[in-house]
Order: sequence, then structure tokens, then C-alpha cells
Amino acid sequence: GIQVEQSPPDLILQEGANSTLRCNFSDSVNNLQWFHQNPWGQLINLFYIPSGTKQNGRLSATTVATERYSLLYISSSQTTDSGVYFCAAPGGGGSEKLVFGKGTKLTVNP
Amino acid sequence: KAGVTQTPRYLIKTRGQQVTLSCSPISGHRSVSWYQQTPGQGLQFLFEYFSETQRNKGNFPGRFSGRQFSNSRSEMNVSTLELGDSALYLCASSFGQGSPLNEKLFFGSGTQLSVL
Repeated sequence: GIQVEQSPPDLILQEGANSTLRCNFSDSVNNLQWFHQNPWGQLINLFYIPSGTKQNGRLSATTVATERYSLLYISSSQTTDSGVYFCAAPGGGGSEKLVFGKGTKLTVNP
Repeated sequence: KAGVTQTPRYLIKTRGQQVTLSCSPISGHRSVSWYQQTPGQGLQFLFEYFSETQRNKGNFPGRFSGRQFSNSRSEMNVSTLELGDSALYLCASSFGQGSPLNEKLFFGSGTQLSVL
């Protein structure tokens, strides 16, 4: 099945800084989703982005399917951006499941 | 529009017991997926239901089962609990008109299960 790897595993920022989170996947995909898990455990869907670039406020994401990676950009970070960011891609082989990376834990300090 | 609702939020059980978790999807969503999250294994797919039928299943033992009702609400059951079943159980819903992989998934806040 597909392997999904995220980097860096941990990231500490000062409020106002920008950051880039990376997601590499081992096989071609037709779907890539980014999630933010808040401190209460809820996974919030940030982007459904099989290819191209999307923006939502201070967040944007780019997926380059041919090169098997996706990037999540966070600009002017805020303390509320803290949490764990996951990317997920289809498992492949006819499996209708999402395979999640291990996540990037982001801490934004005031 | 209400989000995905999971109950209870926390559960404490002992080994050998069984447990039932509940998930109410977003109104209009007919697909419900369940995931287990642990620090060691991360997020792993359990199963997915659509129109009261299990469409997909992950690699979990038969002690893990689920069902979906006609109103799209879903329950998952774990029998003969083991210590390793301690985890955050998350459910997600989507419209389900095609593959759930081609739709945005919306997750609930999860049920934190502790097995003592």
C-alpha cells in the first residue's frame, strides 16, 4: 500500500512566523487531504487537494501529483494554529481507506 | 448545520468487557467511516458504512464490528477489550455518493477509550 511521510515531525514557531509542512507519498494519488487536529482531538479538514494550489485565509496548499508531494503553507501563524497537521491519501489497491501520515506537531508560542 | 457528533466523549472499561460507541453524521451525509488513533500506530482505518452496508474494512480483528442505521447514524462495537484497544476512536462522515476517497471527510471529536 501507499506510504505517506510528513516532515518535519515537530515545529516550534513564534507568533507571526511563516511555515511550510511537507507530505510525500509513495504512489500516484487522485486525492490528498490535509487535516488539523486541535488539542481537543478533533480533526478539521483543511484542504481536499488532489492537484494544484488552494488558499483559505492564511493557509494554502499545493499538491504536485507528478512528483508525489504536497505542501501546506501557514502564514502569520497564530497560537490557535497549534496542533498536529496530518496529510492523508487513498490507500490504493482497491482499498477505500485514507492512509494518514504520522503528522507534524506545530507549536506556536506567543 | 451540526457537525459530526460522537458519544460518549470518554470511556473507561476493564479488560474483557465490551463497548459501544456512537456516531451521528452531518445531516445529509450517508457515509460513515471509523478510525482508530494511537500514539504508536497513528490513524488507522477500521471500516466504512454506506446505506446500512459495510463497504470497506480495515485490518482489524473480528472483535471490532460496526453497523449503520437507516438514519445514517453508526455504532461501533469492540468485544473482549484488550489493553491495546485504548485509543481515540474517530468517526468521519461524507456524502458518500461516490468513493469516500473523492470527497472531503468531516470528523467528529472522537471517543477516548481507556482499557484498564
